[in-house]
Amino acid sequence: GEEVAQTPKHLVRGEGQKAKLYCAPIKGHSYVFWYQQVLKNEFKFLISFQNENVFDETGMPKERFSAKCLPNSPCSLEIQATKLEDSAVYFCASSQSGNLWGYTFGSGTRLTVV
Amino acid sequence: SQQGEEDPQALSIQEGENATMNCSYKTSINNLQWYRQNSGRGLVHLILIRSNEREKHSGRLRVTLDTSKKSSSLLITASRAADTASYFCATVDNAGNMLTFGGGTRLMVKP
Repeated sequence: GEEVAQTPKHLVRGEGQKAKLYCAPIKGHSYVFWYQQVLKNEFKFLISFQNENVFDETGMPKERFSAKCLPNSPCSLEIQATKLEDSAVYFCASSQSGNLWGYTFGSGTRLTVV
Repeated sequence: SQQGEEDPQALSIQEGENATMNCSYKTSINNLQWYRQNSGRGLVHLILIRSNEREKHSGRLRVTLDTSKKSSSLLITASRAADTASYFCATVDNAGNMLTFGGGTRLMVKP
């Protein structure tokens, strides 16, 4: 499709529970990026993929966060044992040509950890 | 840490006026991009300017880039109420590494 589809739109988890977010990139876009937005401003880069391979994971908290982009499946971002500070909107974006062209962003998943 | 820093953090103008937002960054870049975010929505890509370009236009948008000062500006001419949103600049460094966003400018255009 012509939009980046993120599901679910909202997710509420109790502290310590697992959260899994999904992203279907635009068909033909080989790059996928995950960002975390806290408090409606700062965007923190988490991880990017080129097809199913990790391209850049420098922003990824290694202990509890993991992500995958498998062929013929939506990409996923999983947070094990969520903490209150994980509450944020998680955005996925896709791009045809990595960082050298504009990204197309999804509408985000709002994760609330209570 | 944020690569780009927008200025001002918030801007309120009347419909029809021009809005100017500035962005400063720290390292050498390959390109700089401007995005808009409406409340509760994802980012929309507005314009990309490469390090060898100085100015770019798209409709009512004009972006300038001064690599010697490591700064960029976004000008929205003849603003409309529908332009009310947050505007973010983002940079890609010379190694082609990830898009790094600034903190954004919240623009309110009053009808």
